[in-house]
Amino acid sequence: GAGVSQSPRYKVAKRGQDVALRCDPISGHVSLFWYQQALGQGPEFLTYFQNEAQLDKSGLPSDRFFAERPEGSVSTLKIQRTQQEDSAVYLCASSQGSGTLNQPQHFGDGTRLSIL
Amino acid sequence: GQNIDQPTEMTATEGAIVQINCTYQTSGFNGLFWYQQHAGEAPTFLSYNVLDGLEEKGRFSSFLSRSKGYSYLLLKELQMKDSASYLCAVRDFDRGSTLGRLYFGRGTQLTVWP
Repeated sequence: GAGVSQSPRYKVAKRGQDVALRCDPISGHVSLFWYQQALGQGPEFLTYFQNEAQLDKSGLPSDRFFAERPEGSVSTLKIQRTQQEDSAVYLCASSQGSGTLNQPQHFGDGTRLSIL
Repeated sequence: GQNIDQPTEMTATEGAIVQINCTYQTSGFNGLFWYQQHAGEAPTFLSYNVLDGLEEKGRFSSFLSRSKGYSYLLLKELQMKDSASYLCAVRDFDRGSTLGRLYFGRGTQLTVWP
């Protein structure tokens, strides 16, 4: 597609439920990033993939968060046993290179997650 | 860690010029990005600086001073559609990281009045 696509745009879940958020990066982009953005804050890094390899997951807030990119394109961020503090916008970004060059990250519109 | 500081809010009138400042502290600086984000939308890339100096792109310019840990985004001939949050982000290869993860400031909410 022309840009980064995320689904669903909005997700409401009850505390304790599991959720799965999908990201379709720009075709051919090697690098894929997940960020969490709280209201009124800048995005905060969660995890990074280079093709199918998850090279950095240091930003994941707990072991309830899990991300995968099995075929090096589409990625899924899964949150198990959701809690209210997980409510935020989850942004996915992709870039053409390996992240070491002056290539910007292109962001999707995000998934707004609300935990009741 | 990374400390990225930018003003929370700014206001300006249509046709004016506004400068949004950003200061940062990093151990392995490797580039500074500015993004624009309208409410409920994706951050969109505006500019990139890795060397000192001014980068101009139409109505938008961005300046970097690495020795001072300082950047600014300059918006000229402001239009109503420029009302948005402007995010300063630093790429930092700290602690031996070889990845291009970005560290974002909180964003500056710019309101342009007619």
